[in-house]
Amino acid sequence: ETGVTQSPTHLIKTRGQQVTLRCSSQSGHNTVSWYQQALGQGPQFIFQYYREEENGRGNFPPRFSGLQFPNYSSELNVNALELDDSALYLCASSLVAEGPYEQYFGPGTRLTVT
Amino acid sequence: DAKTTQPPSMDCAEGRAANLPCNHSTISGNEYVYWYRQIHSQGPQYIIHGLKNNETNEMASLIITEDRKSSTLILPHATLRDTAVYYCIVRGSNDYKLSFGAGTTVTVRA
Repeated sequence: ETGVTQSPTHLIKTRGQQVTLRCSSQSGHNTVSWYQQALGQGPQFIFQYYREEENGRGNFPPRFSGLQFPNYSSELNVNALELDDSALYLCASSLVAEGPYEQYFGPGTRLTVT
Repeated sequence: DAKTTQPPSMDCAEGRAANLPCNHSTISGNEYVYWYRQIHSQGPQYIIHGLKNNETNEMASLIITEDRKSSTLILPHATLRDTAVYYCIVRGSNDYKLSFGAGTTVTVRA
């Protein structure tokens, strides 16, 4: 069973640029969630994708957008990067069925905006 | 919008049980208690969850009080590799997100 993978592991961008982060779900999972974790803080929910549709969104501006593909992998896109976007970006996959479900996290992508 | 309160840090001795408290006094009847941990620079790792009964798996035990207003995560024999930030999260069965607070930084000492 392959776990959640993310690419790239590290990335440096300049303010104003755009970035795309990628996530491959754990085998058999149908849902992907994205989180942002600033240094010294807990992860903050960005959005979730289920069946290729955005299923819920946290308090993030529209320049944060995403996609989910038919194979359940996902991308997080951030436009017009700001210095405060520097963070660890985490992807989590789940199998959404009835009742509670766990989210399994990837190792994250460390984004630095200069 | 975290609904839990945890101590910011705690130490425990290697080989001893680590008891991590969590208060969730506003928990509602259909909300579960989840525990995750995050080892430095890694993604959070699911540990365990429960509704009202005590739960045990290969990693830990979860003890939930009868009134469900607090819980304790027990690591039965802490090792140095258990050093991490531990997050207690309250979540409804239909909630699509995990709301992380600041967590408890647990340091296991030899």
